[in-house]
This record gives sequence, C-alpha cells and structure tokens, in this order.
Amino acid sequence: AQSVTQLGSHVSVSEGALVLLRCNYSSSVPPYLFWYVQYPNQGLQLLLKYTTGATLVKGINGFEAEFKKSETSFHLTKPSAHMSDAAEYFCAVSEVPQGAQKLVFGQGTRLTINP
Amino acid sequence: KAGVTQTPRYLIKTRGQQVTLSCSPISGHRSVSWYQQTPGQGLQFLFEYFSETQRNKGNFPGRFSGRQFSNSRSEMNVSTLELGDSALYLCASSWQPGGTDTQYFGPGTRLTVL
Repeated sequence: AQSVTQLGSHVSVSEGALVLLRCNYSSSVPPYLFWYVQYPNQGLQLLLKYTTGATLVKGINGFEAEFKKSETSFHLTKPSAHMSDAAEYFCAVSEVPQGAQKLVFGQGTRLTINP
Repeated sequence: KAGVTQTPRYLIKTRGQQVTLSCSPISGHRSVSWYQQTPGQGLQFLFEYFSETQRNKGNFPGRFSGRQFSNSRSEMNVSTLELGDSALYLCASSWQPGGTDTQYFGPGTRLTVL
C-alpha cells in the first residue's frame, strides 16, 4: 500500500524566507504526486502535481516541487514566503496504475509566517 | 465555471441519527470522490463514483454509503451516527477516474455529532 510522510506537523518561517515542506512517499509503482493547500474553513486547492516527465514541477503562487525517485521525496519549496501562504499543506500520492481515483494523504504541515 | 458545491455546509446531529450529505461536481466532471478529515486521522478516502458506479471504497464501516446520480451529483449517507463521525467531509470531482486527473475539492460539510 502506498503511504505519505510529511516531516514536521508545524513549520514556521519569517516573511521573505525560504519555505521548505518535506514529503516522502512509499509506492511500489511509479507514483503520481500532489501538493494541496487548505485555508481555514475551506476545501483543498491543488498547488501542483507530478505525473511523468520533468521532475521539477512549478505550481501556483510561486511554489514548486521536485520529484526525486532515488530519495522517494517530493518536497515543496517557495523562495520567499508571504503572509498569505499561512495555511495547511498536504502531500498526496495517487494509487496507479490501478486507475483508481484515490488519494492517500500525508498528515499535513501547518505553515506559519512570522512578520 | 462553478466549482464543486457541497450542502449543507454545517450539520449538527445526535448519536444514532442518520445524515445525508450532497455534492454537486463541476459541470462535465463524472467522477466524484469523498474524503473524511479529522484532527486525529487526517484525510481518509471514503469512496469514489464514476458513471453511477462505485469504483473504489476506503476502509470504513458499512454505515457509510454513497451513490451517484445520472447527472453526476453524489450523496453520501451515514447511518447510526457515532461521536467519532464528527468530521469535515470533503467531496472532490474530476473528469474521469485515473491517477493523473486533478481532483477539485469542495468546501466540505462539517458534521458535528453530539
């Protein structure tokens, strides 16, 4: 079974600093990987996804992530944090090639931005 | 284009009751998935429907059920509610099943069981 581990349930950075949210996955098949963001009292919004091809994926709001197969990682980064980035971030893996539309999520990382 | 809508947004029930939650997918999307979000267990997959057929089911008791209508709208039902069923229930839609297709999430229904 596939699984996702997010290192650090809480991450705090200063405004303008680098944001790094860590995600490691376990999968017996080539994974499809996703990062979602959740703002308070809202659903999940897709930041970016990796399916095949280029391992460096760029998403919305200046975020990007790099798929590293050898490290089974898909860390999320943003060069300069903004106050509006404060939210909870979820890494997820999709079970393929079974074709099931099922996301397995990590436990989430709450990002706090300090002024 | 309107996003995924879920009704109601908030719900309070008592133990032993049953509840039905509704999800309207993005127009044209035919796949609908449901997830439960709790502080303790995080986000967990409940089930997925495509073309009125349940394609996949998570590890939840039989009290949790769902269905999908011909217009792709979906409902989930929880019978004999327990305190532990208190959660945010999220619905997501996509064009079709399959791991590459992006799932778009609704705002969720927050269920409180007293």
